[in-house]
Amino acid sequence: DAGVIQSPRHEVTEMGQEVTLRCKPISGHDYLFWYRQTMMRGLELLIYFNNNVPIDDSGMPEDRFSAKMPNASFSTLKIQPSEPRDSAVYFCASSIHREGNYGYTFGSGTRLTVV
Amino acid sequence: GQQVMQIPQYQHVQEGEDFTTYCNSSTTLSNIQWYKQRPGGHPVFLIQLVKSGEVKKQKRLTFQFGEAKKNSSLHITATQTTDVGTYFCAGPGRYYEKLTFGTGTRLTIIP
Repeated sequence: DAGVIQSPRHEVTEMGQEVTLRCKPISGHDYLFWYRQTMMRGLELLIYFNNNVPIDDSGMPEDRFSAKMPNASFSTLKIQPSEPRDSAVYFCASSIHREGNYGYTFGSGTRLTVV
Repeated sequence: GQQVMQIPQYQHVQEGEDFTTYCNSSTTLSNIQWYKQRPGGHPVFLIQLVKSGEVKKQKRLTFQFGEAKKNSSLHITATQTTDVGTYFCAGPGRYYEKLTFGTGTRLTIIP
């Protein structure tokens, strides 16, 4: 199993540009989560999907952030326009809730720097 | 909303010493999970506890879930350099699939 795959690993962009982060969950996992990690705020849940349907997007900072999951094997998180305060590590995680086990598998993350 | 706090925030120990991190939730939890994140890495699932008072061991790591299901602890015996990283607890809120992560305890080892 290749695990959760995120791309790109690193992204440096100028303020005002559009940024798209990509995630491929583990095959068969029915939940997908997007988290953001910063020193100040720790790990914050942005949005999550169940069977490709967004369930809770209350953590999305503002309208500049959007996420989609067009199919079971792909999700994107888009920031438009990007701002320096969006600089963080963005993690995608997936899980399958089976036999009472709820652990997440995280991807390697995308380190975003907005200058 | 739900808050999950961990203490201490940082811990520096000599190699071979024991280490403990404590996790406290503002709400009762159906389960508690623990993750480890190496420097520059991503969180990796370690274990899940479900029952009140449950204790589980993984080699030198001992995990405990409180009787009231609002707190938990992770104890490492005789730390090694491979234990370096940040340890997070995480618990579900109203919806069991949605985890709130604790503030984390960063462990550094002095060789």
